[in-house]
This record gives sequence, structure tokens and C-alpha cells, in this order.
Amino acid sequence: AQSVAQPEDQVNVAEGNPLTVKCTYSVSGNPYLFWYVQYPNRGLQFLLKYITGDNLVKGSYGFEAEFNKSQTSFHLKKPSALVSDSALYFCAVRDSNTDKLIFGTGTRLQVFP
Amino acid sequence: NAGVTQTPKFQVLKTGQSMTLQCAQDMNHEYMSWYRQDPGMGLRLIHYSVGAGITDQGEVPNGYNVSRSTTEDFPLRLLSAAPSQTSVYFCASSYPTGEGWETQYFGPGTRLLVL
Repeated sequence: AQSVAQPEDQVNVAEGNPLTVKCTYSVSGNPYLFWYVQYPNRGLQFLLKYITGDNLVKGSYGFEAEFNKSQTSFHLKKPSALVSDSALYFCAVRDSNTDKLIFGTGTRLQVFP
Repeated sequence: NAGVTQTPKFQVLKTGQSMTLQCAQDMNHEYMSWYRQDPGMGLRLIHYSVGAGITDQGEVPNGYNVSRSTTEDFPLRLLSAAPSQTSVYFCASSYPTGEGWETQYFGPGTRLLVL
């Protein structure tokens, strides 16, 4: 079965420090990977995606993600965290059999001033 | 564009009551879907539709019905609400690309409490 895992329920980081939110995946075939962000009391917003090509994908709000095929990972990164980045982050993979998105359980990012 | 809109924002039901969660999008997207979000479980797909007149079940369809009579609207019906359906419900829409349905656009959500 195709799946994604987000091993951390919460990540805490000080403002100005780099942040990483981890995601690993299990798929058959080529992975189509996504990151979404959910701010409080809001719906999910698309951040970035990896379909093919460069392993470093740049997205919205200064975020980027690194695709690592050998480690089956797609970690979300940002060089310098902002308090306003505090939100719930979801990794997702497209199920190649059904075209549906399979979401991880989410990681809450807390950026402290 | 208003994007994806959902009504109501919040609803309290008693066990056994029925209700319809409304979802509409003005982006002419063919694909629409309903998810529920529960703590520690991420988002789970309830039902989805790839176009008007076509619907299919997702991961957790029991207790929910959908219909898609127009491209714009995709209502979710709870026929007899149960406490286990207490959740936050999100509607999403998307358009097809060469690699599939890809990026989804989410509504603001409906928070449902079943007593």
C-alpha cells in the first residue's frame, strides 16, 4: 500500500533558525509528493510538489523540500523560520493506482520568538 | 474568484439527525472531494467526484452520501448523524494535468459536533 509517514507530531524551532519537517514515503513507481500547510481555522494550502526533475523543489513562503530517492524522504525545509510559519504541515503522496492524494498525519510546527 | 466555499462553518447535531454540508467552487474544476480531519489521523478521503454525474467512494464513505449534479457543487449528506462523525470536514477541488489531479484547493472547513 502506498503511504506517507510524518514521524514528528510537533517541531519546535526558534525564530531565525533553520527548520526541517520530516516526511518519508512508500510508493510503487515514481512518487508524486506534496506539502500542504494549514493555518489555524483554515483549510489546507498547497506549498510545493515534486513530480520529476531537480531534487530540490522551491515553493511558497520561502519553503523548499528535498527529494531523496535512496532514503525515500521528502523533507520540508526553510533556512530561517518566522513566527508566522507556525502551523500544521501535511505531507502527501499521489496514489498512482487511483490518482488520489494520501495524506500524512501532520506535523505541528511551532516557531518561538 | 471565491475559490472553494463551504457552509456552514460550524454545526451541532443530535444523534440521528440529518444534514447536508454544502461545497461550491467557481474555478470550473472537474475533480471535487470531501475529507474529514481528525486529531492524529490526518485527512481521510470520504467521497470524490471526477465530474458532474460521477461519484465514487474514498477511504471512509460509510454514513455519508454525495451527489454531483453540476460542476460547481458537491454536497455531502449525513443521513443519520453519529458521534463518531464529529470532525472537521474539508471540501477540495482540482483539475487534471498530465500527471493526474495534482494540486488540490481546499475550502475553509466545516466543524461538526454530534451529541
